[in-house]
Amino acid sequence: SAVISQKPSRDICQRGTSLTIQCQVDSQVTMMFWYRQQPGQSLTLIATANQGSEATYESGFVIDKFPISRPNLTFSTLTVSNMSPEDSSIYLCSVLPSGSGQYEQYFGPGTRLTVT
Amino acid sequence: QQQVKQSPQSLIVQKGGISIINCAYENTAFDYFPWYQQFPGKGPALLIAIRPDVSEKKEGRFTISFNKSAKQFSLHIMDSQPGDSATYFCAAWISGTASKLTFGTGTRLQVTL
Repeated sequence: SAVISQKPSRDICQRGTSLTIQCQVDSQVTMMFWYRQQPGQSLTLIATANQGSEATYESGFVIDKFPISRPNLTFSTLTVSNMSPEDSSIYLCSVLPSGSGQYEQYFGPGTRLTVT
Repeated sequence: QQQVKQSPQSLIVQKGGISIINCAYENTAFDYFPWYQQFPGKGPALLIAIRPDVSEKKEGRFTISFNKSAKQFSLHIMDSQPGDSATYFCAAWISGTASKLTFGTGTRLQVTL
């Protein structure tokens, strides 16, 4: 398993500003993922962040809006840029531990973002 | 396109009863099927998972039944308890160059006394 922490846990931001969310894992992991979850809804994958390569974005998500960094095997950041109220959501970091073999993906506690 | 369909959307079960949540998938390339449990204000927690070459997996009160030919799988919660009240998500993993997890729409389970 893996223990994942996210900062901040929640934030209220003004439209037009940017917020960077940090994800820290207690062990080295091969794959890290960023998800968005609207209240009461399912999880939507934003992008996959692999160390040493550019993030891979899902349809509907672009790097200019959601730039991602992955400087090492235990840390990643997601920035939500030029925010609008539609970006209000829960953002979740998830990891696939190296050598897990069973594709057991673990999630952080999430960052609850409100854009006013 | 919703690749993993989940039902019901919500479920109310009496304490001690059996909770059953169903999922169906379309893509035969999926090769791992986990279930996640999520409490309000928390991230999803891996509950139990199964590979498509296995028809059933049981862990405590939780059982996954898998029907490869029908492309369906289900979660059974035996002896449901109020502490099981949460939202449950089925998911399907596809491995390869674009490895990722696709989630179902979720089922909100309420276990009453």
